[in-house]
Amino acid sequence: QVQLQQSGPGLVKPSQTFSLTCAISGDSVSSNSATWNWIRQSPSRGLEWLGRTYYRSKWYNDYAVSVKSRITINPDTSKNQFSLQLNSVTPEDTAVYYCARLAPRWFDPWGQGTLVTVSS
Amino acid sequence: QSALTQPASVSGSPGQSITISCTGTSSDVGGYNYVSWYQQHPGKAPKLMIYDVSNRPSGVSNRFSGSKSGNTASLTISGLQAEDEADYYCSSYTSSSTPPYVFGTGTKVTVL
Repeated sequence: QVQLQQSGPGLVKPSQTFSLTCAISGDSVSSNSATWNWIRQSPSRGLEWLGRTYYRSKWYNDYAVSVKSRITINPDTSKNQFSLQLNSVTPEDTAVYYCARLAPRWFDPWGQGTLVTVSS
Repeated sequence: QSALTQPASVSGSPGQSITISCTGTSSDVGGYNYVSWYQQHPGKAPKLMIYDVSNRPSGVSNRFSGSKSGNTASLTISGLQAEDEADYYCSSYTSSSTPPYVFGTGTKVTVL
């Protein structure tokens, strides 16, 4: 059974950077059949896919246009996890952030979610 | 990218059946049989209920069923129970390269 466990701070100041980590158990971040995704949810934006990392003989990343200039998703094979880093945050980035596996065409499982609040 | 369109709310009495629609375009819902549905209770993460339009994961009640016609997918909950009260979201693969998947706007199901 695959499980995802998120960790990271819940409060960040405007213009700063926050990072979240998603630890994987029951699967490998280097899997050739899965992608590892970050999704956020807010009342104004609903569910919004942010980006993914995946391995297909080499590492790939894709990012949503809305955050492409500010986001980095990295795999960590030594710890079997992946991370999200979002720069230059504003109050509009306040949301619940989820990690999720996509394999092969549906998101399952999801992490428990982390409420990130951008406030001074 | 545009979100898939769902009704904001649907309600029903215990034991009744309800259907939630999810409308997209020929570039997503209508073009591929890659629609999935998620149930989300307050404060919880979404849970997969249906994948590839009409398939149920192991452990999901057979009261949940999915279908598709044209650009609209549907989730039907039969024999509605109090525990079914939650938010439901559809998702579909899209031919847009990024993002590869788009979500629905979400539907609040209320059990009267």
